[in-house]
Amino acid sequence: AQKITQTQPGMFVQEKEAVTLDCTYDTSDQSYGLFWYKQPSSGEMIFLIYQGSYDEQNATEGRYSLNFQKARKSANLVISASQLGDSAMYFCAMSFTGNQFYFGTGTSLTVIP
Amino acid sequence: DTAVSQTPKYLVTQMGNDKSIKCEQNLGHDTMYWYKQDSKKFLKIMFSYNNKELIINETVPNRFSPKSPDKAHLNLHINSLELGDSAVYFCASSRNGRHNEQFFGPGTRLTVL
Repeated sequence: AQKITQTQPGMFVQEKEAVTLDCTYDTSDQSYGLFWYKQPSSGEMIFLIYQGSYDEQNATEGRYSLNFQKARKSANLVISASQLGDSAMYFCAMSFTGNQFYFGTGTSLTVIP
Repeated sequence: DTAVSQTPKYLVTQMGNDKSIKCEQNLGHDTMYWYKQDSKKFLKIMFSYNNKELIINETVPNRFSPKSPDKAHLNLHINSLELGDSAVYFCASSRNGRHNEQFFGPGTRLTVL
């Protein structure tokens, strides 16, 4: 069975600092995708970044980077130079063969001015 | 232009009623999904359709029935609403193939009284 774990229900970071949000997963599949989504208080789900299981380089998108450690089955999101607008829920998700898609329980990030 | 739209945004109804939520995407995607987000923000996939065909049907009461008249639309009909159905329901779509990011609609907040 596939499983995604986000162990940090809440995180705080000072504005302009970097923060790492943890995500670990458990699967026996060789081919899968890892995603991070942001959900601000307004409720919409915003796609941030993607990493394929066969990608050797860590994915980066602007201030977001994904620290992919395949052997450890972790896919942590790093947000550099935090901004007040980064305060939101962050969800790690995985895709599997057959369009299966599972989300973690989320981490609430608060950026402190 | 709205990529994935849902109507209505809010739905308040009495227990026992039947209601529908509509979803449309103009991204040309082949795959569409319904998710339920509970009060603890946990996101769970309910259904997935690919080219109007049901491909994922998670353990969901059969009071929930998805209908896809064409690949741009995926509606959710709920019969005999119960208090536990209160949640935010998200529609999403993605390109066909493996491990593609999903684009989410704005969500429909359903409250059953």
